[in-house]
Amino acid sequence: DQQVKQNSPSLSVQEGRISILNCDYTNSMFDYFLWYKKYPAEGPTFLISISSIKDKNEDGRFTVFLNKSAKHLSLHIVPSQPGDSAVYFCAARLDRGSTLGRLYFGRGTQLTVWP
Amino acid sequence: NAGVTQTPKFRVLKTGQSMTLLCAQDMNHEYMYWYRQDPGMGLRLIHYSVGEGTTAKGEVPDGYNVSRLKKQNFLLGLESAAPSQTSVYFCASSYPLGEQYFGPGTRLTVT
Repeated sequence: DQQVKQNSPSLSVQEGRISILNCDYTNSMFDYFLWYKKYPAEGPTFLISISSIKDKNEDGRFTVFLNKSAKHLSLHIVPSQPGDSAVYFCAARLDRGSTLGRLYFGRGTQLTVWP
Repeated sequence: NAGVTQTPKFRVLKTGQSMTLLCAQDMNHEYMYWYRQDPGMGLRLIHYSVGEGTTAKGEVPDGYNVSRLKKQNFLLGLESAAPSQTSVYFCASSYPLGEQYFGPGTRLTVT
């Protein structure tokens, strides 16, 4: 049962334009949401996160939006660069009742930024 | 700082063989995790540890065992490998409720 869903396996965007990666979740108890970026033959690396009490978090070219009522979050990359080409994983975390911080991952979206 | 390292990077096993994957971290993290990633799938948690000498099952623990004898090391064992265990294995570590740092992965093929 996939609690975190990324319904677009791939996205292709021209350099300089905006990339929007989407993620949906089913568990309203998630406290924290994260985006990880993964290049081939490397492990995932943390990109940006957002707490469930916020609706937006920005870090340079990366902004994550959270819509709790729709159980939806999105990652915006502006402007997109060829070096952003990677697989992006959305993840959600349950914090309450445990310090484990177990992550539930989506299946990932392959972003390709072309010149 | 090396961060999280994994040994080996690649391995090919025959069905029924055994092996151990080693994960080491130098960030003094209490928590360590083993994930597997299959094509078209997200990362799935196999086992995890919240401290030296402790381990617990994750989402897909069958066919695997783990040990955490030292705080910096987390071992994943396959006692009798099966083709269904062909995957890329990632180790990660973190502080409690902290960001998880991942290793580069081990690509395992079971024939």
